[in-house]
Amino acid sequence: AQSVTQLDSHVSVSEGTPVLLRCNYSSSYSPSLFWYVQHPNKGLQLLLKYTSAATLVKGINGFEAEFKKSETSFHLTKPSAHMSDAAEYFCVVSGGYQKVTFGTGTKLQVIP
Amino acid sequence: DVKVTQSSRYLVKRTGEKVFLECVQDMDHENMFWYRQDPGLGLRLIYFSYDVKMKEKGDIPEGYSVSREKKERFSLILESASTNQTSMYLCASSYWTGSSSEAFFGQGTRLTVV
Repeated sequence: AQSVTQLDSHVSVSEGTPVLLRCNYSSSYSPSLFWYVQHPNKGLQLLLKYTSAATLVKGINGFEAEFKKSETSFHLTKPSAHMSDAAEYFCVVSGGYQKVTFGTGTKLQVIP
Repeated sequence: DVKVTQSSRYLVKRTGEKVFLECVQDMDHENMFWYRQDPGLGLRLIYFSYDVKMKEKGDIPEGYSVSREKKERFSLILESASTNQTSMYLCASSYWTGSSSEAFFGQGTRLTVV
């Protein structure tokens, strides 16, 4: 079985300050891990993915995530938030039988 | 670019109607998925398919069925629509290389059952 836990349903940051969105996973297989972003009334867009290569993964729009197997975590970070980052973010795990499981999402609010 | 196309962006159906949601992908992916997205619950997997005519139940299959007669097309069927099936439905396809995978999503169908 596999599961994903996003530890915060809402995160609020000021523009220009760092962003941290937390994700823990469990999987019986060596998982692939992803972060997707969904802006209001838009489809899902892939931010970045981890597939057993480098543990620090860089994505689009300045986001990055670090895979920590010992902590079963895949937290998403960005050094400096921008207003356009306000959206909902989903952590996703893909493992056995290529089943894709989503977390419940974290809504990021960026305050001017 | 990979394209996953859902046949409708918005649908309004009556309770008890049979509803078909269609999804087509153009990248020859083996795997296809149907999710529903509800506020506070994220995306929950309804059914998935890893090959033509193959299907597996996801986390919330009750009240739904699926059909995959061709590799590129994956249909979600609500046999008798109910108001608690009002939701956003997302289709996805994915590839798996043995060490890497990625899922691609359609734009979603917002279904309202009245």
